[in-house]
Amino acid sequence: DTGVSQDPRHKITKRGQNVTFRCDPISEHNRLYWYRQTLGQGPEFLTYFQNEAQLEKSRLLSDRFSAERPKGSFSTLEIQRTEQGDSAMYLCASSLVSGLNEKLFFGSGTQLSVL
Amino acid sequence: EDQVTQSPEALRLQEGESSSLNCSYTVSGLRGLFWYRQDPGKGPEFLFTLYSAGEEKEKERLKATLTKKESFLHITAPKPEDSATYLCAVQASPGTYKYIFGTGTRLKVLA
Repeated sequence: DTGVSQDPRHKITKRGQNVTFRCDPISEHNRLYWYRQTLGQGPEFLTYFQNEAQLEKSRLLSDRFSAERPKGSFSTLEIQRTEQGDSAMYLCASSLVSGLNEKLFFGSGTQLSVL
Repeated sequence: EDQVTQSPEALRLQEGESSSLNCSYTVSGLRGLFWYRQDPGKGPEFLFTLYSAGEEKEKERLKATLTKKESFLHITAPKPEDSATYLCAVQASPGTYKYIFGTGTRLKVLA
């Protein structure tokens, strides 16, 4: 169990550029979540996957955001035409659902700065 | 709309001074309530899951309790290493497995 891994840890980009983040969940975890967090706020839900299926996406998420989880393993989050308001910590989390019990494990996040 | 409110926003305690953090929630149905600890620059770290009113969980100096409308995180005789942001989240039912987080309580324990 090596934990949830996110890459890169930090990303600085210019407004209008596209960025892509990667998340490697804990092996065999079937559920994967993406959250966004700004300073002083709690994590804000973006989307989650059950295996390779994207089951829910936040209504607040614009069409510039897209996420994939091919083959139910790693996941990518892409932001197109970045805006300064996209600057935040992007957190990935995974869980292994067993009956009613679910424990979410977070990665260390990708800090995005849009200039 | 499902909602989580945490109070206070920030709390300063002297080492050994016990206190409680509050998490109030409004959900259509509660699948589970979760407490996390978050250190600066890191992702949240799981502490507890509570599923039904009356349930209690303990870990070292922390104890979490749950009622039908709120949860408390009691910190007994805190130490400086307990300084962190404590986040509360709910997983509502039915029809979704997303977690809804509060804004957290920033705890500072002074030596």
